[in-house]
Amino acid sequence: NAGVTQTPKFRVLKTGQSMTLLCAQDMNHEYMYWYRQDPGMGLRLIHYSVGEGTTAKGEVPDGYNVSRLKKQNFLLGLESAAPSQTSVYFCASSYSRGLNIQYFGAGTRLSVL
Amino acid sequence: GQQLNQSPQSMFIQEGEDVSMNCTSSSIFNTWLWYKQDPGEGPVLLIALYKAGELTSNGRLTAQFGITRKDSFLNISASIPSDVGIYFCAGLNYGGSQGNLIFGKGTKLSVKP
Repeated sequence: NAGVTQTPKFRVLKTGQSMTLLCAQDMNHEYMYWYRQDPGMGLRLIHYSVGEGTTAKGEVPDGYNVSRLKKQNFLLGLESAAPSQTSVYFCASSYSRGLNIQYFGAGTRLSVL
Repeated sequence: GQQLNQSPQSMFIQEGEDVSMNCTSSSIFNTWLWYKQDPGEGPVLLIALYKAGELTSNGRLTAQFGITRKDSFLNISASIPSDVGIYFCAGLNYGGSQGNLIFGKGTKLSVKP
């Protein structure tokens, strides 16, 4: 029962470095999401995808890019990391927008020094 | 944009106590979801509500979809130590510009020393 798998689980970056976070789901879900979680802020939507080959901006998209080349994978990229991007990142997927029960991965803890 | 006000922000419980938390909004939602997040993990769905007035239970947890469709409540009866964690409400409005979930900022449940 893999569900939603995120890699890596932890990462430390220096300011200006780039990295890609990988999210994989094995539930054949159409919709995938990337959130960031900061203390006292709850979950904020960065980008989302309604299907293979599509992406859209969420609430806080600046400084991030995403790609959905395969239905099961959703990648989140940081081209030039900044300390403000230190956060815990969660990926989620759902079957559809109407039945939008989202299933979450375990998270990636990112520190940018 | 749409916002959810979740209260209380935090609370301390003693084993055996009943717990209540709620979410309110100025917007109408078609679906309410309640998630729990354990330390170091992603949110896990507890209860989903789809109709105004609906009352749904999951073991010791009971949640209600408010009649006005602008609020929801979660009650935990006879709390146990493993109830500790962060509880999030989330609302979905099918007619919204994104049709995405809106999350509250969470209620952190801790054990009284």
